[in-house]
Amino acid sequence: EAGVAQSPRYKIIEKRQSVAFWCNPISGHATLYWYQQILGQGPKLLIQFQNNGVVDDSQLPKDRFSAERLKGVDSTLKIQPAKLEDSAVYLCASSPADTRANYGYTFGSGTRLTVV
Amino acid sequence: QKEVEQNSGPLSVPEGAIASLNCTYSDRGSQSFFWYRQYSGKSPELIMFIYSNGDKEDGRFTAQLNKASQYVSLLIRDSQPSDSATYLCAVINSSASKIIFGSGTRLSIRP
Repeated sequence: EAGVAQSPRYKIIEKRQSVAFWCNPISGHATLYWYQQILGQGPKLLIQFQNNGVVDDSQLPKDRFSAERLKGVDSTLKIQPAKLEDSAVYLCASSPADTRANYGYTFGSGTRLTVV
Repeated sequence: QKEVEQNSGPLSVPEGAIASLNCTYSDRGSQSFFWYRQYSGKSPELIMFIYSNGDKEDGRFTAQLNKASQYVSLLIRDSQPSDSATYLCAVINSSASKIIFGSGTRLSIRP
């Protein structure tokens, strides 16, 4: 079974620029999550999709972050404009379960973003 | 109060000894509990999950859950240098909608 695919692995941008990350979940997984992990901290949920609908985006900074999951498969996360404090690893995860997420997640390899 | 609390460490344990990692959570209605291992520069990897009070063993790993005390622990027996990593405690909240992570405990196994 192929894992969660993410790209790019690394990205360096200047503040106020825009950036986009891509995620392809494990085939058949209905639920997709984007987490932000700042160095030295645990992952923080940004947004959760169930198929192509948003379940939870309460911690997504909507003035600069946006995400979509067209056709209920791939997802993109965008930041525009980026700030220095957005420097972090952005992790995508998927789960076969519904929003109860009782099975734990499988994470992708992440995208390390550095904003300079 | 943080939803999931862990001691950041580092916790240093000699090779072959038992490493004990602890976690407390604030939501009394939390339903499921996970331990993830994260090597430096890598993404988290699920190593244990537990739903019921008591112990759950898997190889050298034992997860312990005490819902009355809102406490989860992970024991690693016969610690190996390859166990050196950050261990993240994670909890599904009472609405059963998402996993909330602690900030992790850095474990170092010294030869």
